[in-house]
Amino acid sequence: AQSVTQPDIHITVSEGASLELRCNYSYGATPYLFWYVQSPGQGLQLLLKYFSGDTLVQGIKGFEAEFKRSQSSFNLRKPSVHWSDAAEYFCAVGAPGQAGTALIFGKGTTLSVSS
Amino acid sequence: NAGVTQTPKFQVLKTGQSMTLQCAQDMNHNSMYWYRQDPGMGLRLIYYSASEGTTDKGEVPNGYNVSRLNKREFSLRLESAAPSQTSVYFCASSDGDSRVSNQPQHFGDGTRLSIL
Repeated sequence: AQSVTQPDIHITVSEGASLELRCNYSYGATPYLFWYVQSPGQGLQLLLKYFSGDTLVQGIKGFEAEFKRSQSSFNLRKPSVHWSDAAEYFCAVGAPGQAGTALIFGKGTTLSVSS
Repeated sequence: NAGVTQTPKFQVLKTGQSMTLQCAQDMNHNSMYWYRQDPGMGLRLIYYSASEGTTDKGEVPNGYNVSRLNKREFSLRLESAAPSQTSVYFCASSDGDSRVSNQPQHFGDGTRLSIL
């Protein structure tokens, strides 16, 4: 069965600094990969997704993620963090072709931004 | 641009009471999902519906029932609420068949449920 791990529970980054949030997945083939962001009291908003093709995908709000098959990773990056990026971030994996599959979410990484 | 609408937004129940959480989407999506979110646990799938007329159990279905009333609406029912069901509940929908999980899910704003 597929699974996803977000090794960092909480990260603090200075405003203007770069950001990388880690995501590792377990699946026998190439999965579908997603990053979502959740602001306090809100639902989840899709940042970006990867299905196939170019391994570097661009998302909304200046985020990007890179799929690395050899490392089973899909890390989220942003070159310069803004205070409004403080939120919880979830990586999710889907398994193409498996009957009855919905997304499996990681446990999330909380991002704090310091001034 | 309503998207996915959940009602109510907040609810407090006593142990043993029953309640139905409502979810409606206006994006003409085929698939709908119910998740619960607990601190440090991420989102866990309770039930999902690949299409109108079908429902399937997810990771944590015990204590819950669902109804796919029509293509737009997917309700979650707690028949006899327990304190362990205190959580934030999210409904989501996606286009296409949920067996092909390449379609992103769109989420509602959640229902915060406390059971005393």
